[in-house]
Amino acid sequence: AQSVAQPEDQVNVAEGNPLTVKCTYSVSGNPYLFWYVQYPNRGLQFLLKYITGDNLVKGSYGFEAEFNKSQTSFHLKKPSALVSDSALYFCAVRARNYDRGSTLGRLYFGRGTQLTVWP
Amino acid sequence: EAGVAQSPRYKIIEKRQSVAFWCNPISGHATLYWYQQILGQGPKLLIQFQNNGVVDDSQLPKDRFSAERLKGVDSTLKIQPAKLEDSAVYLCASSLVGQTSGNTIYFGEGSWLTVV
Repeated sequence: AQSVAQPEDQVNVAEGNPLTVKCTYSVSGNPYLFWYVQYPNRGLQFLLKYITGDNLVKGSYGFEAEFNKSQTSFHLKKPSALVSDSALYFCAVRARNYDRGSTLGRLYFGRGTQLTVWP
Repeated sequence: EAGVAQSPRYKIIEKRQSVAFWCNPISGHATLYWYQQILGQGPKLLIQFQNNGVVDDSQLPKDRFSAERLKGVDSTLKIQPAKLEDSAVYLCASSLVGQTSGNTIYFGEGSWLTVV
């Protein structure tokens, strides 16, 4: 079974400080991993993804994420948080190489982490 | 490049009524998805199309939900009759189809349904 865990419902950081939003996953085989952000009353916006190669992935708006296979984690990070980064962040996992008709292709989401950056 | 378009953005209906949501994916994206996002939860896949064929509808409550993508482009998701627990955001998304599942899925703004 595939699943994603975001252990923190909320993360609060001061503007200018580094931020980390945690994600761990469970999937058969090697995963594809994604981070999405959702602003109030908006849809999900793609931030970054891990496919293969370098374990450190850089994405939009200065965000990056580190894939750690041994710890089955894909934590989202940013060196210096902005107030405008305040939003709901979702981690998602997808099994690699699925066949038509297989549920392995489904994207599984975590419950989301509400990030608040205060001035 | 235009994103995934959805309408209506907001809908309030009474229980047992019906509602339909429309989606137009990103041009050239053969794969289309409908996700349901209940408040406080992550999105859950309802149905996935590849062109006009259904790839995965295992989590679609087929007694009340239906979806179609007749010409392989636009899609409609219908709920009939609606229940209170159907109150959620219905997200349409699309992606390219390829040999791997690493393609990015792009989401629309969502259709917010409140059932009263």
